[in-house]
Amino acid sequence: DSGVTQTPKHLITATGQRVTLRCSPRSGDLSVYWYQQSLDQGLQFLIQYYNGEERAKGNILERFSAQQFPDLHSELNLSSLELGDSALYFCASSVGGFGNTIYFGEGSWLTVV
Amino acid sequence: GESVGLHLPTLSVQEGDNSIINCAYSNSASDYFIWYKQESGKGPQFIIDIRSNMDKRQGQRVTVLLNKTVKHLSLQIAATQPGDSAVYFCAENNNAGNMLTFGGGTRLMVKP
Repeated sequence: DSGVTQTPKHLITATGQRVTLRCSPRSGDLSVYWYQQSLDQGLQFLIQYYNGEERAKGNILERFSAQQFPDLHSELNLSSLELGDSALYFCASSVGGFGNTIYFGEGSWLTVV
Repeated sequence: GESVGLHLPTLSVQEGDNSIINCAYSNSASDYFIWYKQESGKGPQFIIDIRSNMDKRQGQRVTVLLNKTVKHLSLQIAATQPGDSAVYFCAENNNAGNMLTFGGGTRLMVKP
């Protein structure tokens, strides 16, 4: 158990809908990351927050947004969902920035039908 | 279950043998490298890391080798066990925040 908690574990929703994925980082970790894992794209970095502020942005679609709250938990919002958004979404956390070990949660399986 | 590439390279080894998983990284500016193990239905699990000022680092039953000249990273697993069966990913970090760029992954299958 990495200590990173993600909910829900599985989610099935229809195209055009909006979902929110939730992440609680390991105790003491200030950085939260979101990654997407799909069959054809592998593990792709979406976005990073550090102590409530956006720190780095990767291949995150405009339909997707995230935030980190004062208690350091984070949410990833996915809207106007398309079939291609079906993937495993991972949250990860680390104590700080560069060079700190990044620990992953168990992921949220999103299926868009 | 896991969601990984359909065309992952696969390494099949006999239980007790040593395994070597290779990875070519893309960014010569990357200076921190990590190996992750992903079992079916689980998130990537940290195995070992290495910084660019080193060329070798050893852990428990695992060794990571870094060759910056050819941008190559390898993970050696000694006395491979059935529990080592998983997909292994290398990741690089180029000091632009703490963003990891993952390789495509290698599936390790251990035959009893």
